[in-house]
Amino acid sequence: QQQVKQSPQSLIVQKGGISIINCAYENTAFDYFPWYQQFPGKGPALLIAIRPDVSEKKEGRFTISFNKSAKQFSLHIMDSQPGDSATYFCAARRYSTLTFGKGTMLLVSP
Amino acid sequence: KAGVTQTPRYLIKTRGQQVTLSCSPISGHRSVSWYQQTPGQGLQFLFEYFSETQRNKGNFPGRFSGRQFSNSRSEMNVSTLELGDSALYLCASSLSPPGTSGNYEQYFGPGTRLTVT
Repeated sequence: QQQVKQSPQSLIVQKGGISIINCAYENTAFDYFPWYQQFPGKGPALLIAIRPDVSEKKEGRFTISFNKSAKQFSLHIMDSQPGDSATYFCAARRYSTLTFGKGTMLLVSP
Repeated sequence: KAGVTQTPRYLIKTRGQQVTLSCSPISGHRSVSWYQQTPGQGLQFLFEYFSETQRNKGNFPGRFSGRQFSNSRSEMNVSTLELGDSALYLCASSLSPPGTSGNYEQYFGPGTRLTVT
């Protein structure tokens, strides 16, 4: 049973464009929703995170939108840059265990 | 502050062998979690340790085990290796003890790439 569904699997965006990645979860006991960025050969790095009592959180070019009633959350990358090309994972946490989405490979073309 | 360190970074083993991977958490972090990452299954939770005790375990066979030492360093062991165990094994540390909520982020190490032939 996949508890966190992530889409799309891959995404190509022009430089300067907006990248949008979506996730949906099933377990309402999740209490924390982080996004991780992973470059080839590296471990996932925490990008931004949100709690379910907040509808939006912005850090620089990265914004999380959270819809508790729909059990969905999304990552928006504004002014996408070639250096943002990486795999992005959404996750949902219960206690200190993370359940991850399958990941989205983002390619930002110059 | 130094990040999470994992050793070795790469490992090649033969089916049937066993392997031990090591993780040193960020200084001050007492919770260590292990994850397996494969192209097909993505990132899957293996287990979590806090204060030398396994507090949570994912859906993996008993061949996968771990332990944590008094200095919070952790090791995981895989016995009787199978081809399907080839993966990137990631360790993550956090301040948060299991069973509590809060914004205690998990920070990942670079992983150990295990190849089973």
